[in-house]
Amino acid sequence: DTEVTQTPKHLVMGMTNKKSLKCEQHMGHRAMYWYKQKAKKPPELMFVYSYEKLSINESVPSRFSPECPNSSLLNLHLHALQPEDSALYLCASSQESGVGYNSPLHFGNGTRLTVT
Amino acid sequence: EDKVVQSPLSLVVHEGDTVTLNCSYEVTNFRSLLWYKQEKKAPTFLFMLTSSGIEKKSGRLSSILDKKELFSILNITATQTGDSAIYLCAVFFFPIYNQGGKLIFGQGTELSVKP
Repeated sequence: DTEVTQTPKHLVMGMTNKKSLKCEQHMGHRAMYWYKQKAKKPPELMFVYSYEKLSINESVPSRFSPECPNSSLLNLHLHALQPEDSALYLCASSQESGVGYNSPLHFGNGTRLTVT
Repeated sequence: EDKVVQSPLSLVVHEGDTVTLNCSYEVTNFRSLLWYKQEKKAPTFLFMLTSSGIEKKSGRLSSILDKKELFSILNITATQTGDSAIYLCAVFFFPIYNQGGKLIFGQGTELSVKP
């Protein structure tokens, strides 16, 4: 088990649904990340939040909408997804993401998303 | 283009063998190189390397970074079947200095250890 908790573990949704993925950490980390991982591929960065502000968006389509309500929580809102969006969505956190710091990312177990 | 390249992409060995996994990188404003092990779910953290030539060790695993050659290796000695996993190399860097840092991954090395 990791100290980054993601819910739900599995999600099946239709292309017209709206759903949200949730991520929580209580390690006092100030940077949080969303990654997408397809089968047999490495994780691909989607978004980075630093001190609850979006600092990096890797040109992700607008059908994915991140939200960081406070320093412990990170959400990913999903709307009008396509079948090719089916993947494992990983959340991660680190102590900081600024220039002056070095801290490893700690990953949650992910949400396995299937879009039908 | 910022990139991380791992080799080999897959490796099959027998228990007791020693393996060396390779990682090279090209990024702007490098900060650190990290190794992760991924089995079924979350990548689990192994090492973070920031300085050249200083070996990090944890049991049978060790790793070292060469910042001049932009290269790192992960060694596993006396391999066991439980070492079977995908080993991911990742680099933390700043595409624009003093703005958001990010971690990108290599393709991974799939290690299979046979009894």
